[in-house]
Order: sequence, then structure tokens, then C-alpha cells
Amino acid sequence: DAKTTQPTSMDCAEGRAANLPCNHSTISGNEYVYWYRQIHSQGPQYIIHGLKNNETNEMASLIITEDRKSSTLILPHATLRDTAVYYCIVRVDNQGGKLIFGQGTELSVKP
Amino acid sequence: EAEVAQSPRYKITEKSQAVAFWCDPISGHATLYWYRQILGQGPELLVQFQDESVVDDSQLPKDRFSAERLKGVDSTLKIQPAELGDSAMYLCASSLDRGQPQHFGDGTRLSIL
Repeated sequence: DAKTTQPTSMDCAEGRAANLPCNHSTISGNEYVYWYRQIHSQGPQYIIHGLKNNETNEMASLIITEDRKSSTLILPHATLRDTAVYYCIVRVDNQGGKLIFGQGTELSVKP
Repeated sequence: EAEVAQSPRYKITEKSQAVAFWCDPISGHATLYWYRQILGQGPELLVQFQDESVVDDSQLPKDRFSAERLKGVDSTLKIQPAELGDSAMYLCASSLDRGQPQHFGDGTRLSIL
């Protein structure tokens, strides 16, 4: 599975959009980009995933560049409850299913 | 609230003792995973089941760890004997099938004294 690079930490003002970047320059054509988050003392929570096209659900939007070497997770209106560690993971979906977590980005949403 | 149930939520025990964790996945999920998360790091896979069969236990320290999912539903992870370095969060996750998004429980926080 390809490695990902994320900033260690980010701040965001409550009510503003939070844009979390992820670099995955060695991603293969059949690898998906997954985002999970982990709020303190809880298990990781699935947010969204995609292959090539941009994706949106009730939690977030995922923007993947045309060359697929990077992506951005967008939380459109961040709240204090979005404070968490956000993990970007790339994975081949039809093999195994193991997730390889990196260090993630610690997002702090401030009032 | 997490739909994958884990117990106990916290466990404190002395080294050399045996300890066991239980996981009840989301109903109908064929794939079950056990991860270990050391403080400050991301979770790391220990073992993966497809129904009742182990499909990946390459990172499981088999001299002291064991896992089973006898009827392909709930699962137990055991450590015997526990060592100081086993202090961590033990997370269970399940997915409808391999390659589907994984849903995690809130874990068991293990402290070895």
C-alpha cells in the first residue's frame, strides 16, 4: 500500500471550512483514498473514500487531484466536535482490507 | 455511538497474568479485525478474520496472543502472559466484506502494572 504524508497539526475556526491535505504520490491505479478520524478516547470513525472522482457525503467532501497524487478532505462548517486526529489512508480494496494508519493530522477547531 | 461492541472498556492487570477482550461486530459483517494502538500512534492490525477463518495474523505475537471467532460472529482476543509493553488500546473493527469500509468499536484500554 502507498504511503501518505499529512501535516502533523492544523487549526480551524469554528464555522469555517476545514481543509485537510494528504499527499500520496506513489498511489497505484487501483488504490482508493480513505479518510478516518479518531476523537479522543474513541475508536476511529469512517468518513469517506474515493478512487478518482470527487466524493461528498453528509460528513465531508473528498477532492482528489487529476493525477491522484494528492487529495483534500473538506469539512464544510467545522464545529468543536470535529476536533480529532484525521487519518488519510490508501488501500487496494480487492485485497485483504487491512488499513495501514500513519500519524494523521491533529485538527483543533477553536471557538 | 459505535455499533461494534467491545468489552471491557478498561482493564488493569499485572504482568504475567492472562487477559481477554471481547468483540461483537455489526450484525451481518463477515470481516472482523483486531488492531492495537499505542499511545500517540495510529492503530496497527493484529489479526483479520473472514467469517471464522484467520486471513492475516502476520503481526500477531503468537507466542502470547491468540484470537478466535468460532461461529463467525463475535470474537475474543487473549494475551497470556501479559507484558508491560502490551499496555495499549485494543480496537475491534468489522466490515460487510473485505474491501468495504471498516467500522470500529471504542476499544479496550489495557494497562499492565
